[in-house]
Amino acid sequence: AQSVTQPDIHITVSEGASLELRCNYSYGATPYLFWYVQSPGQGLQLLLKYFSGDTLVQGIKGFEAEFKRSQSSFNLRKPSVHWSDAAEYFCAVGAGNYGGSQGNLIFGKGTKLSVKP
Amino acid sequence: NAGVTQTPKFQVLKTGQSMTLQCAQDMNHEYMSWYRQDPGMGLRLIHYSVGAGITDQGEVPNGYNVSRSTTEDFPLRLLSAAPSQTSVYFCASSYGGQGNYGYTFGSGTRLTVV
Repeated sequence: AQSVTQPDIHITVSEGASLELRCNYSYGATPYLFWYVQSPGQGLQLLLKYFSGDTLVQGIKGFEAEFKRSQSSFNLRKPSVHWSDAAEYFCAVGAGNYGGSQGNLIFGKGTKLSVKP
Repeated sequence: NAGVTQTPKFQVLKTGQSMTLQCAQDMNHEYMSWYRQDPGMGLRLIHYSVGAGITDQGEVPNGYNVSRSTTEDFPLRLLSAAPSQTSVYFCASSYGGQGNYGYTFGSGTRLTVV
């Protein structure tokens, strides 16, 4: 069965510092991988996604993520964090380009990011 | 460009009451789903639909019903509300009946059952 693990529940970084949020997945085939961000009281916004090809994907707001098959990881990074990046971040995995139940996403439990001035 | 619209934004119910959470999208997306979000649990899939007239259960379907009579609308019905259904509910839709292109989420309905 598919699963997603985000090991860090809460991370605090200083503004201007670099950021890496960890995500590990469990899935037998090539997964479809996503990162979403949720600001307080808001819905989820798609940051970036990986389907195939280049393992380093660029997203919105200066975020990037790297797919590492050997480590079953899809970590999110940003070189310099801004105070507005404070939010909760969710990693998700999908089964592939099919309909039905395989079109659903499985979400991790999220990592809350706090930014110190 | 409305995207995914959920109503109401907030709701308080008494135990045993029923209600319908509304979800509408204007992007002609075939794939729609309902998730609930609870602290420390992430998002869990309640029900989903791959097109009008087709629905199926997700991870946590008990106590909820759905129907999909049109492409645009995907309402979620709570049959007899229980305190365990206190949660934030999100509706999401995706292009082409394939959720893996990435969902567009509504802004959520915060439900409290007392």
